[in-house]
Amino acid sequence: GAVVSQHPSWVICKSGTSVKIECRSLDFQATTMFWYRQFPKQSLMLMATSNEGSKATYEQGVEKDKFLINHASLTLSTLTVTSAHPEDSSFYICSAGPRQSSFSQYFGPGTRLLVL
Amino acid sequence: AQKVTQAQTEISVVEKEDVTLDCVYETRDTTYYLFWYKQPPSGELVFLIRRNSFDEQNEISGRYSWNFQKSTSSFNFTITASQVVDSAVYFCALSEDYYGQNFVFGPGTRLSVLP
Repeated sequence: GAVVSQHPSWVICKSGTSVKIECRSLDFQATTMFWYRQFPKQSLMLMATSNEGSKATYEQGVEKDKFLINHASLTLSTLTVTSAHPEDSSFYICSAGPRQSSFSQYFGPGTRLLVL
Repeated sequence: AQKVTQAQTEISVVEKEDVTLDCVYETRDTTYYLFWYKQPPSGELVFLIRRNSFDEQNEISGRYSWNFQKSTSSFNFTITASQVVDSAVYFCALSEDYYGQNFVFGPGTRLSVLP
């Protein structure tokens, strides 16, 4: 089946640094990818919709300048957490679905970010 | 706006017991899609089932079964003869999108199956 990968799986960084998380669709093309954030013991919340070749669409309350999304190709979307702070520590999960197939959505394994 | 409620925050059962996880949803659309996902401690979401709003037929897959009731806007999940490996957080989710994207997740139910 379709696979979505994320890199890195774990990242620890100092406050003030920027962190880039990659989401790749390994065996299909995805015009749209989604980024979710999950705080400990909480549910997944949609942060933004990443659109290939155009600007991302952010959910209400998500700072677009803080969470930069780039969807430069049909198989790669990146989420950059700029000037990370401890409150940005979270589990970030992306999802994507094959463009030619209605109704399939695959989640990546997630990236755990810890900002010290 | 769409919303998913999972009233049970945590459930503990003893192995081999049956357990039902509740899910109640809200949507204004007549066409929508419901999902269940399992999230083990590793964090990776495991897809369990997808059901569209036009298909109220209940489904059984091994020890898992799902009861979809449009009249009560519920999509409950039952694990029969639970096992320790079933311990995880279970999320019910709703999508109003034809391509099944843009999920709204419920708050999750943490299931602990004790040996």
